[in-house]
Amino acid sequence: NAGVMQNPRHLVRRRGQEARLRCSPMKGHSHVYWYRQLPEEGLKFMVYLQKENIIDESGMPKERFSAEFPKEGPSILRIQQVVRGDSAAYFCASSPEQYTDTQYFGPGTRLTVL
Amino acid sequence: AQTVTQSQPEMSVQEAETVTLSCTYDTSESDYYLFWYKQPPSRQMILVIRQEAYKQQNATENRFSVNFQKAAKSFSLKISDSQLGDAAMYFCAYRSPSGQGGSEKLVFGKGTKLTVNP
Repeated sequence: NAGVMQNPRHLVRRRGQEARLRCSPMKGHSHVYWYRQLPEEGLKFMVYLQKENIIDESGMPKERFSAEFPKEGPSILRIQQVVRGDSAAYFCASSPEQYTDTQYFGPGTRLTVL
Repeated sequence: AQTVTQSQPEMSVQEAETVTLSCTYDTSESDYYLFWYKQPPSRQMILVIRQEAYKQQNATENRFSVNFQKAAKSFSLKISDSQLGDAAMYFCAYRSPSGQGGSEKLVFGKGTKLTVNP
């Protein structure tokens, strides 16, 4: 059973460009969570999605950030007009339908904004 | 809001010895989950151990065990017979129970960097 997949692993963008991060959950998992890790910090929750629904976006910045988890395909975290402060590692986690207490993490995407 | 505190930014241990990493948390909930995750230099977040608050018995996974003190809101991780591969950042995390109006999100501490000396 393949684990949580994230791509790209490394992404470099210039200020003002868009960053698009992808997450494919583990097979059979329908819950996806996005977290951000700044240097020397723990992970901070951003958003929780189920298929076609945003359940909790309390950790998402109000502007420039959006997330989706369509019926088909991976979950996407989109950052528009990136700034240097967006440089961080972005982790996706997933959990199965019936047992949502444990989250399994992907390898992360390291975003660098020049 | 729940908070998680890891008071030891760095710890070190000799290979084959035992080390304990501390974690305290603040919550008004009576039921919840607690986790320890390991983050090696590869940056992958790896689940080490989990504990349900309603269970009095401390969780164990091979060389890893926890000391869960609910009244004190303490959740320490003990690593026995430390190995070089245990060197990593260790994060303590809290999660509210599902389906009771609580958030599904994990709340993480800032981490403890563990060094294992040969």
